[in-house]
Amino acid sequence: GAGVSQSPSNKVTEKGKDVELRCDPISGHTALYWYRQSLGQGLEFLIYFQGNSAPDKSGLPSDRFSAERTGGSVSTLTIQRTQQEDSAVYLCASSLTPVETQYFGPGTRLLVL
Amino acid sequence: QKEVEQNSGPLSVPEGAIASLNCTYSDRGSQSFFWYRQYSGKSPELIMFIYSNGDKEDGRFTAQLNKASQYVSLLIRDSQPSDSATYLCAVNKDNAGNMLTFGGGTRLMVKP
Repeated sequence: GAGVSQSPSNKVTEKGKDVELRCDPISGHTALYWYRQSLGQGLEFLIYFQGNSAPDKSGLPSDRFSAERTGGSVSTLTIQRTQQEDSAVYLCASSLTPVETQYFGPGTRLLVL
Repeated sequence: QKEVEQNSGPLSVPEGAIASLNCTYSDRGSQSFFWYRQYSGKSPELIMFIYSNGDKEDGRFTAQLNKASQYVSLLIRDSQPSDSATYLCAVNKDNAGNMLTFGGGTRLMVKP
């Protein structure tokens, strides 16, 4: 079946602009996760959804970052007033239930000029 | 101290040799452990997970977990050039659906 999909695959934006990143999880997966990976670095947790609620937002780096999930499916990560340090690959993962294995999407490569 | 630590490498092994990748973690309450492989420019893909102390084998891969010593390792037998990638160790601390905490990854190079 289809895996996790993300869009856009690449995004170049100017400092100060807002961006929206989209994640379509595997059908039927109730848990959805956002991570960030900077060049040459490991993965940094951002936020986790169980259904439409986000019990763990501890990883969001600042109040410029927000995320929502609707219908227990698609999620959007929004970064307002982007800064150059926001440049990274944003990875989405989903799992059947919160304790199951997480499967990753291809990521969105964000470059803030 | 980082929560999950890995030697960044690169770890270089000849084709056909055994590659041994190690990971240590700080939270003694950690419950489940994952190894992901990430090719350059690609997203991580799951190789193995392990919950219980001991060894778990899957084809050429063996995961080893020692909770008392707080380490988990991945052995790759008969290493192939196609195994060249970064291997990420990830820990789920309480099996309650929280995020995975990742190590920085070990870059493996298998030379023909």
